[in-house]
Amino acid sequence: RKEVEQDPGPFNVPEGATVAFNCTYSNSASQSFFWYRQDCRKEPKLLMSVYSSGNEDGRFTAQLNRASQYISLLIRDSKLSDSATYLCVVLHSGGYQKVTFGTGTKLQVIP
Amino acid sequence: GAVVSQHPSRVICKSGTSVKIECRSLDFQATTMFWYRQFPKKSLMLMATSNEGSKATYEQGVEKDKFLINHASLTLSTLTVTSAHPEDSSFYICSARGGSREGTYEQYFGPGTRLTVT
Repeated sequence: RKEVEQDPGPFNVPEGATVAFNCTYSNSASQSFFWYRQDCRKEPKLLMSVYSSGNEDGRFTAQLNRASQYISLLIRDSKLSDSATYLCVVLHSGGYQKVTFGTGTKLQVIP
Repeated sequence: GAVVSQHPSRVICKSGTSVKIECRSLDFQATTMFWYRQFPKKSLMLMATSNEGSKATYEQGVEKDKFLINHASLTLSTLTVTSAHPEDSSFYICSARGGSREGTYEQYFGPGTRLTVT
C-alpha cells in the first residue's frame, strides 16, 4: 500500500460545480497535512494546511479524519483558474521529519 | 508567502559533466531544505533532506555520491549532480521550511530547475 494515495483523475467538472478530492495515508503517526496546487510545469504552491478541526479559505474547505486516515479538499463554485493538479502532502516524524507527496489529482474545469 | 528561488531555471549539459543547482530562501531562514525530482506526469520524489550545518539525509535509492547536497547557511542549499547522465534529466525542485510562525511545518517551493543531459 502506498504511503499516500490519491485518485489521479482527471476530474472534469463544469464551471460553478462543487468538487471534492480525498487522500488516504497509511502512517497513523503522521503529524501534519497539506494541500498543494501544481500547475503544469510549475512548482507546487501551498494551497492550505489541514487542521484537525477542519478549515476553510474562501471556496476551499479542507478536512482531516484521523480515525479513517484521510484528508479531503472541497472546492465550491469551481473556476476555470482552478484547473490544476492538487497534491496531498503528509508529514511525519521518524527520527527525522519525512514528507510524502501523493501523486496528485488532476482537475479540469470546463466552461 | 515566503519566497524561495532556484538557479538556474534551465540547464543543458553534456554527459559526464557536473551541474550545480542553487536554492535560496529569500525572506526567511530555512533550517531545513528538501530536494525533489519530478518525472513527467509523476509526483514529486523526495531525494534528500538537509539541515543547515549537517549532512543531508538521503532517501533510499538516491546515490549520495552522485547528488551532492550542501546546506552551507540558513538561506542557501546547493545540489550538485555529478557525472551527469541522460537519465538524470528531470525537473529538480527544492523547498524550504521555516517561515515566521514558530513551529510551522509548511514548505515553500522554489520554481524548479529543468535539467537536460545530452
